[in-house]
Amino acid sequence: GENVEQHPSTLSVQEGDSAVIKCTYSDSASNYFPWYKQELGKGPQLIIDIRSNVGEKKDQRIAVTLNKTAKHFSLHITETQPEDSAVYFCAASWTNAGKSTFGDGTTLTVKP
Amino acid sequence: DAGVIQSPRHEVTEMGQEVTLRCKPISGHNSLFWYRQTMMRGLELLIYFNNNVPIDDSGMPEDRFSAKMPNASFSTLKIQPSEPRDSAVYFCASTLGGRVNEQFFGPGTRLTVL
Repeated sequence: GENVEQHPSTLSVQEGDSAVIKCTYSDSASNYFPWYKQELGKGPQLIIDIRSNVGEKKDQRIAVTLNKTAKHFSLHITETQPEDSAVYFCAASWTNAGKSTFGDGTTLTVKP
Repeated sequence: DAGVIQSPRHEVTEMGQEVTLRCKPISGHNSLFWYRQTMMRGLELLIYFNNNVPIDDSGMPEDRFSAKMPNASFSTLKIQPSEPRDSAVYFCASTLGGRVNEQFFGPGTRLTVL
């Protein structure tokens, strides 16, 4: 089955700096890669996703890049703000698999 | 839409008691997932349903855990008997099946087994 590894497990940055979280996956058939943000006391919520037919996707301060050859994808947050502090999960799956395999999560802390 | 609804939000019980967690998926979604989240093991998929049928229950820890989805708008996760190591936050999520899409998570049920 699919295996997703996520690094780092914790990340601390100063407000205004950039943050990068990286994930690798094992199943070359995977073609859908979402990123979820989980705030304290809440369920994970999708913030951005990418499918295998594109290499990069951007939404304001958030971007995701995908390298299918190397089987890794990354989340980039620019101009970080204290409200970006949360746990971030990457995931991977393939069409019709029905389920996604999640990474172990990264706790991001943005210091004012 | 109200989103995925889970009840109760918090449950405290004693070891050996039966616990039932409930989930109402988003209307129109036909895939439903149950997850367990702990500090040690992260976010674990327990079971998922498609069109009310269990598709993959390989994540269910043992026979003490069971899940049902009697109709498209309701699912339960039951633990009988409960043990302290079952203490965790249990999430339900739903999505449109057929093509992998965004999963919408509920607020979770925090279970404490004493």
